[in-house]
Amino acid sequence: EPEVTQTPSHQVTQMGQEVILRCVPISNHLYFYWYRQILGQKVEFLVSFYNNEISEKSEIFDDQFSVERPDGSNFTLKIRSTKLEDSAMYFCASRPLAGEETQYFGPGTRLLVL
Amino acid sequence: AQSVTQLDSQVPVFEEAPVELRCNYSSSVSVYLFWYVQYPNQGLQLLLKYLSGSTLVESINGFEAEFNKSQTSFHLRKPSVHISDTAEYFCAVSGTYNTDKLIFGTGTRLQVFP
Repeated sequence: EPEVTQTPSHQVTQMGQEVILRCVPISNHLYFYWYRQILGQKVEFLVSFYNNEISEKSEIFDDQFSVERPDGSNFTLKIRSTKLEDSAMYFCASRPLAGEETQYFGPGTRLLVL
Repeated sequence: AQSVTQLDSQVPVFEEAPVELRCNYSSSVSVYLFWYVQYPNQGLQLLLKYLSGSTLVESINGFEAEFNKSQTSFHLRKPSVHISDTAEYFCAVSGTYNTDKLIFGTGTRLQVFP
């Protein structure tokens, strides 16, 4: 069964550094999402992406964040200058065009900012 | 805008006992409803969903949920739990437009004791 994959599984970085989190969505899916879960808190929406542009973003998704689908298979989330409060589990999700409303989640990347 | 309330942060239960995890939602538009499960150190997995039609939906591992529009609820039930059901359960809602994000509740930690 196809699945969403994410790399790396864990990342530790220093405050102020740039990080890129990578996701490979399911191959025939067209809608892509990033969510995050701060330890002990609920899963929060960050951004949705369709047709090579952002469809919607939350107030969390400020100018320090960006997303890209550089090569038709990868979907990346970049944080330009990480802050301590960016420490969280980041989940990528994807869904097909229509007729299937389920978002399929990857296993997540745990980001720790020191 | 939508919101989800999971009133129970933790539900302890003995093996083979029945369980109900409560979920209430708020929305001014039509919604889809989901339950996701997160096992320790893993990502989010879809447990079941309500899109339309029969208000009672079932999962392959014995869970069921009933959509109650008048009470704006989507409670999750299982008549007899197993140790392996120990996990975090998240209720989520989305609008019915294709790119709509998932809005999650705060989660309910189900702990099954032998």
